[in-house]
Amino acid sequence: AQSVTQPDIHITVSEGASLELRCNYSYGATPYLFWYVQSPGQGLQLLLKYFSGDTLVQGIKGFEAEFKRSQSSFNLRKPSVHWSDAAEYFCAVVGGYQKVTFGTGTKLQVIP
Amino acid sequence: NAGVTQTPKFQVLKTGQSMTLQCAQDMNHEYMSWYRQDPGMGLRLIHYSVGAGITDQGEVPNGYNVSRSTTEDFPLRLLSAAPSQTSVYFCASRARVPSREQYFGPGTRLTVT
Repeated sequence: AQSVTQPDIHITVSEGASLELRCNYSYGATPYLFWYVQSPGQGLQLLLKYFSGDTLVQGIKGFEAEFKRSQSSFNLRKPSVHWSDAAEYFCAVVGGYQKVTFGTGTKLQVIP
Repeated sequence: NAGVTQTPKFQVLKTGQSMTLQCAQDMNHEYMSWYRQDPGMGLRLIHYSVGAGITDQGEVPNGYNVSRSTTEDFPLRLLSAAPSQTSVYFCASRARVPSREQYFGPGTRLTVT
């Protein structure tokens, strides 16, 4: 069965600092991988996705993620965090029978 | 396009009551799903549908029913509400191709007392 692990429940970074949010997945074949962001009281918005080709993918709001098959990882990065990036971030995998499995989320706090 | 719409936004039920959470999308998406979101547990799939007339269980289906009579609508029924069903419920839809993103509704916050 497919699964997604986001090992960091909560991360605090200073505004302007770089950010990396970790995501590890388990799936037997090449997965379809997604990062979503959720602002308080809102639904989820897609940041970026990977399903083939270049393993470094660019998304909205200056985010990028790198697919590493050898490490079963799809970590999200941003070189310089803005206060408006404070939100909860979810990694997701689409695998067998098109089921979507989400990680438990990482809550990002940005301090001035 | 309205995207994915959900009603109601908030609901309070007493234990044992039943109700239906409504979900509709106007993007002609084949795939629709219901999730519940609880603190520290991410989004857990309740039920999903790959097209009209086809539904299947997700990881937490107990206590919930769904049906898909049209492409647009995918209601979620709580048969006999329990406090454990207090949660935020999200409906989502996407095109059938698995590389396509899901579009989420704004959510329904349900409290069962």
